[in-house]
Amino acid sequence: GAGVSQTPSNKVTEKGKYVELRCDPISGHTALYWYRQSLGQGPEFLIYFQGTGAADDSGLPNDRFFAVRPEGSVSTLKIQRTERGDSAVYLCASSLTGTPRWQTDTQYFGPGTRLTVL
Amino acid sequence: AQKITQTQPGMFVQEKEAVTLDCTYDTSDPSYGLFWYKQPSSGEMIFLIYQGSYDQQNATEGRYSLNFQKARKSANLVISASQLGDSAMYFCAMREGNNFNKFYFGSGTKLNVKP
Repeated sequence: GAGVSQTPSNKVTEKGKYVELRCDPISGHTALYWYRQSLGQGPEFLIYFQGTGAADDSGLPNDRFFAVRPEGSVSTLKIQRTERGDSAVYLCASSLTGTPRWQTDTQYFGPGTRLTVL
Repeated sequence: AQKITQTQPGMFVQEKEAVTLDCTYDTSDPSYGLFWYKQPSSGEMIFLIYQGSYDQQNATEGRYSLNFQKARKSANLVISASQLGDSAMYFCAMREGNNFNKFYFGSGTKLNVKP
């Protein structure tokens, strides 16, 4: 079946602009995660959704970052007043349930959106 | 303290040889899971193998095996019979039982397989 998809694959914007990044999880997966990966680093957790609600948003760096998942499927990560330091690859992942069944609840990642803030 | 440490920024291996990628972790939670992901240049993170903290045996998945040494808090990935297509970034990651939905990733190891 189809994997996690993310659009756009690349986004170039100017400092101060607003951007939206979209994630379409694997069909039937109730848990959805956003990560940010800076150059040469591993992904860093941003936020986790269980269904429509953000169950853990402790990784969002500041209030310029916001994410929604209104119907429990597609999610949008929104960044206001972008800064050059926001440049990174934003990865989305989904898992079947988000409950502690370690192996069967593996997170499957999308290809990411590369955001460049000029 | 870093939750996951990968001390090898880059590794070279000859095709058909075995290679070990190092990973150490830090947690006080007795229940945790350790994962390895492969990230090719295309950017997608591909799940390779999983090891649970209570698992008695080392995990194996095809050419991948995980050398789990609990007392040393290490979870090294062993790739046997390397192939050119194994060239990629490899990330070690951990989830803890008290915060199951947050993955902690290491900084990765870039593996280059030479023909």
